[in-house]
This record gives sequence, structure tokens and C-alpha cells, in this order.
Amino acid sequence: IAGITQAPTSQILAAGRRMTLRCTQDMRHNAMYWYRQDLGLGLRLIHYSNTAGTTGKGEVPDGYSVSRANTDDFPLTLASAVPSQTSVYFCASSERVGTEAFFGQGTRLTVV
Amino acid sequence: GENVEQHPSTLSVQEGDSAVIKCTYSDSASNYFPWYKQELGKRPQLIIDIRSNVGEKKDQRIAVTLNKTAKHFSLHITETQPEDSAVYFCAASRNSGGYQKVTFGTGTKLQVIP
Repeated sequence: IAGITQAPTSQILAAGRRMTLRCTQDMRHNAMYWYRQDLGLGLRLIHYSNTAGTTGKGEVPDGYSVSRANTDDFPLTLASAVPSQTSVYFCASSERVGTEAFFGQGTRLTVV
Repeated sequence: GENVEQHPSTLSVQEGDSAVIKCTYSDSASNYFPWYKQELGKRPQLIIDIRSNVGEKKDQRIAVTLNKTAKHFSLHITETQPEDSAVYFCAASRNSGGYQKVTFGTGTKLQVIP
């Protein structure tokens, strides 16, 4: 692993199903983030984590949950997917507050 | 909360010309302003950033200016090349409760015409 990796790269999901998007980084960054990217709306923060063991809500947290059991992993779970959650999801990490964020390659999720 | 507005939403320039993208922000506590470039189907990548204690920063053909009083910052690309074609996002960031609260603009799609 080099940098920050997301899985899967794309997924078609039936509405009502549960789905976990995975994110792993090997840079030992303290902070991690989940964004969704929708056309015309830019990148919007879903959840964040300052450090292992802590998480917080971003701008659009409803319908999503996260956990941060260790420094490297930051999975995002959709408990019961809805079509409005169709989007491209980016995980990101940064060494500390106020520094460059490194993005994963994205997960394209389609909820039908 | 923070509101970041970015203009224009699309921009076409001839190769070799300059391109300017402008952003305004609302939260005076924002102190870090990164710019990201996102090529089609790829991840956003940082191209330049500026902190609130600096008015201008330059890196080869790319420069960013910041006017804290007016709460606006701009990206300038000189001698544009076809490989500069991408979507560019500005962002304003501040420390909020111990995490980096980053608000992105809605993006500018830049097309450089050969």
C-alpha cells in the first residue's frame, strides 16, 4: 500500500442494503475524512476523525456512520442505502490540522 | 458556518493564455487555503496552498493571492498548457474543535484549447 487506498472502486447497490466503504492509509496520518462529491456541489464532508478512537460529524452525516479503531483504517458504513446516496466518495487524510489532505482514488457508488 | 463561493464554474482559454479562478469565503477564522486539481476520473490533488499570514505564493506557472480583508483568494495559471485542463477546487480551512474544518468551493472546469 502506498498512500491512501479505497475499496471498492465502484459498486452498484440495491436500496435498503447495508454497505461499507473501506479506506486505509499507510502514512500514519492522524486525521482522516470522508467526502462525497456530487456534480455542482463540490466536495462535502460526511464524517471526520482527528485521531484513532475519535470521530465527528461533518456537513452531511445523516445515513452514514464511521469508526476509527486504529490509525490506518477509517471505514464508512451506509446502514440502509437510498438513491440519494448515489455519489462518488473520497476518503482523505492529513498529518495534522491545517496541512495538505491526501485523497484516495474514490469509490463510485450507485444506489438503485 | 463557512461558505466558499468559486467563480467561474467553467473557463475556456487558449493555450498560452492565463487563467484566473476566484474564491470568496465568509469565516474570518479560516487560515489555510489549499487549491486542488482534479483530472477526469481521478482524485483531487493539491497544487498549491497559502496560509493567512502570507499574501501571495508562487510555484512556477501557478500563483495564489490572498486578501484577508476582503476574504477572497485567487488562483492564477500562466502560460496554460493542455495538461492544465481539469476541475480546480478552492478550499478554506480552519481549526475547529481540534480538527481541520475544510469547506470546498463548487469547482471550476478549466479547458485549455490547443
